[in-house]
Amino acid sequence: QLQLQESGPGLVKPSETLSLTCSVSGGSISRSTYFWGWIRQPPGKGLEWIGNMYYSGSTYYNASLKSRVTISIDASQNQFSLKLSSVTAADTAVYYCARLLGSRAFDIWGQGTVVTVSS
Amino acid sequence: QSALTQPRSVSGSPGQSVTISCTGTSSDVGAYNYVSWYQHHPGKAPKFMIYDVTKRPSGVPDRFSGSKSGNTASLTISGLQAEDEADYYCCSYTGSSSVVFGGGTKLTVL
Repeated sequence: QLQLQESGPGLVKPSETLSLTCSVSGGSISRSTYFWGWIRQPPGKGLEWIGNMYYSGSTYYNASLKSRVTISIDASQNQFSLKLSSVTAADTAVYYCARLLGSRAFDIWGQGTVVTVSS
Repeated sequence: QSALTQPRSVSGSPGQSVTISCTGTSSDVGAYNYVSWYQHHPGKAPKFMIYDVTKRPSGVPDRFSGSKSGNTASLTISGLQAEDEADYYCCSYTGSSSVVFGGGTKLTVL
C-alpha cells in the first residue's frame, strides 16, 4: 500500500524559501511511470494546484506560482520535494503531496502539513 | 487559469440525492474527459472519489456518480448518509500536464 508523508518546517519567515519533502513508502518513486504533485489549501479557502513532476524529471507548474516554485525528485531517498521562494503571508496553507493517475487526477494523498509564514 | 466554479454549499436530508455542479470553460472541463472529484473532511487528506468524469476508484460506493455536459461536470450523491457531510472539490485537466481545482462545495446533511 503506497503511502505519502509530508515533512518540513511549520514556520517560515516572510521573503524566505519554504522547503517541504514528501516521503514515499510502499513503492519506488523512480520505477513507476507516475506523476507526483503538490497541492495547497490556504485557511478558509479551496484547494490550489501547485505543480506536478513526472518520475523522469519533467516539471509542470501553476502559472501563478511558476516563478517561485521548484519541484524535484530524490530517487535515492524515494522522495520528492517542493521549494517556494520569496514567501508571504498568502503562502500560509496546508500543503499536500500526492500521486497522480496519469497527469490528471490525484489518487493517493499525504495527510498534509501546515506551513505558516510569519516573522 | 481561473478556478472552476462550484456552488458554495448544498444540502440534503438522509436518503435523498444531491448534485454538485462544476463549471469550467472550453479549455478545461469542456475540452477533456478528465474531471475528478474529491471528498474532504477537515483535518484529513482529500479522498479520491471520481476520475475521468464517470469512473469510480475501487472502494468508492456506487452512490457516488459523475457526469458531464459541455463545460459543466456534476457529482451526484444518492442515498445521502450522515458521513457524506464534507467539502467536495472538482478538478479538471487543462492540458500540458496541468490541472485546475474548483472552489469547493460544502455538503450539509440535514
